[in-house]
Amino acid sequence: AQKITQTQPGMFVQEKEAVTLDCTYDTSDPSYGLFWYKQPSSGEMIFLIYQGSYDQQNATEGRYSLNFQKARKSANLVISASQLGDSAMYFCAMREGSGGGNKLTFGTGTQLKVEL
Amino acid sequence: DSGVTQTPKHLITATGQRVTLRCSPRSGDLSVYWYQQSLDQGLQFLIQYYNGEERAKGNILERFSAQQFPDLHSELNLSSLELGDSALYFCASSLNEASSYNEQFFGPGTRLTVL
Repeated sequence: AQKITQTQPGMFVQEKEAVTLDCTYDTSDPSYGLFWYKQPSSGEMIFLIYQGSYDQQNATEGRYSLNFQKARKSANLVISASQLGDSAMYFCAMREGSGGGNKLTFGTGTQLKVEL
Repeated sequence: DSGVTQTPKHLITATGQRVTLRCSPRSGDLSVYWYQQSLDQGLQFLIQYYNGEERAKGNILERFSAQQFPDLHSELNLSSLELGDSALYFCASSLNEASSYNEQFFGPGTRLTVL
């Protein structure tokens, strides 16, 4: 089974609108972390936001917020007031447990296009 | 700028050849991770080193090897290259591996093209 599932290969949003990028995950480990990264066309991976499995509140970082629904195993990224510079590929990733290293498992990504 | 450096930025080589990709982590980071991003496999974890020791292994081929040196820089060696090895190779670093939250800072990547 896929550990991280991003079901939206591509999304369009108008400038200044909010957009939600979906991410569901699968793990039996009670301790895990969820990450979102942005990859612009230039190729670099930019960390956006993190949510820990024990965090009581949803994470927020500026215009980014993470809608964490633990029972549903979902960790959707919400971008408010979209800007043209938000056009990029977005990856959801998970780190499981506290042993065995700190590797990230990535989803397949969502290509976001912000339009005027 | 994440503080992680990777060289070279681009590499074009032929099948059967061997290449070495180099990574310098952020100052103070002890862990180095290697990831491969290809069109068919997506972003995949290859291997992690922590303070010079191998910590975790992912889908890394036997033709690939890595090491982390005393100054904490790391090298990924790819040998007997095949067309399918063409990909973007990322190095990432984090402070340690003990915390459940370890933001990984990614380098700009090395784009490998095997002809």
